[in-house]
Amino acid sequence: GESVGLHLPTLSVQEGDNSIINCAYSNSASDYFIWYKQESGKGPQFIIDIRSNMDKRQGQRVTVLLNKTVKHLSLQIAATQPGDSAVYFCAENGSGGYQKVTFGIGTKLQVIP
Amino acid sequence: GAVVSQHPSWVICKSGTSVKIECRSLDFQATTMFWYRQFPKQSLMLMATSNEGSKATYEQGVEKDKFLINHASLTLSTLTVTSAHPEDSSFYICSAQYGNTEAFFGQGTRLTVV
Repeated sequence: GESVGLHLPTLSVQEGDNSIINCAYSNSASDYFIWYKQESGKGPQFIIDIRSNMDKRQGQRVTVLLNKTVKHLSLQIAATQPGDSAVYFCAENGSGGYQKVTFGIGTKLQVIP
Repeated sequence: GAVVSQHPSWVICKSGTSVKIECRSLDFQATTMFWYRQFPKQSLMLMATSNEGSKATYEQGVEKDKFLINHASLTLSTLTVTSAHPEDSSFYICSAQYGNTEAFFGQGTRLTVV
């Protein structure tokens, strides 16, 4: 079936550097994407979202890029901090009467002090 | 953002018993609540979707007689794991939303079946 997936299970980044987490999705009909951060033992926390009519959206220290041609999504974190260490999931919010969020595999970001 | 609270945060139960997990939207009315299960080092897998006042819609492969979901009010949904077995040990997470707004997640419930 349709899925949202990640290629890199673990990413180690030096504190202060920029991080880029990638995600591929397979449902070409997806029109809304979300990045979540999950710390150990906690529920997912919303970071940033983007609709399919956009290719870039910026938040505070984070930027999401969407390439619909190759069905690729990325999350860029500027000046990565130790508090950014977590697992990051991209998710697709499907169309339909309700917003069913489908999560990708996840990437563990380790920030090296 | 809106607050979604799960209770308990963790629970240990004996094999064969049932355990109920509550999901509450504290400051908004949730027309839809979702239940997810997450095994260690894996992603969240949607189990079911519940709309207030109607039967839950289960994802393929999820046993509805084993995972009973009740969404009796706009602020509360419950997931009951019946006749729990060790393989049901997992992290259960709910999310809630009002209409087409952003879904807010609970902090999760760690279930351990011994």
